[in-house]
Amino acid sequence: ELKVEQNPLFLSMQEGKNYTIYCNYSTTSDRLYWYRQDPGKSLESLFVLLSNGAVKQEGRLMASLDTKARLSTLHITAAVHDLSATYFCAVDRGGQGGSEKLVFGKGTKLTVNP
Amino acid sequence: EPEVTQTPSHQVTQMGQEVILRCVPISNHLYFYWYRQILGQKVEFLVSFYNNEISEKSEIFDDQFSVERPDGSNFTLKIRSTKLEDSAMYFCASRTGFTGELFFGEGSRLTVL
Repeated sequence: ELKVEQNPLFLSMQEGKNYTIYCNYSTTSDRLYWYRQDPGKSLESLFVLLSNGAVKQEGRLMASLDTKARLSTLHITAAVHDLSATYFCAVDRGGQGGSEKLVFGKGTKLTVNP
Repeated sequence: EPEVTQTPSHQVTQMGQEVILRCVPISNHLYFYWYRQILGQKVEFLVSFYNNEISEKSEIFDDQFSVERPDGSNFTLKIRSTKLEDSAMYFCASRTGFTGELFFGEGSRLTVL
């Protein structure tokens, strides 16, 4: 059974600081997704990482994937208050008939303080 | 930009009642999903649907749950007899192919009293 673990689960940081969120998963997969969720809202797709060594950047966020280590990171650079949200990683489990369901981590609740 | 739309946004129901949650996936997408999120917890897979049939379902998706694509555009989740523990946010999602980006709707919050 595929397990996806994120850490930390809670992160409080100051504006302007850098930090990294980690996502480990237990079985082989070449596809990993990062989502952002604001309170009471839907899941906004941030990054889709489709191969080993993939690195993607959007604004102050950068995501990477190491399929050999079964590890993805989401790096936050010079955090601003607007980044406060819960961040989920999700891994394709490889379903039957091409369903390819996603298994989500528990999420990292990020709070950026002024 | 195309989006997945869900109705209702919030439904309150009595235990034992039937509920239907509706979704309109993005029009050229072929794979459809329902996920749920109990308040403050992680997002859990319920069911996937492709080629007019269920591809996979989780252990949560018991006989009380069913899905349908009645008319080629809507995708519904029915809970036949709701229980208190069904209270959650239910997200519909769709994608073009099974390796593509998964797009989520805004969610339907179900409260069972």
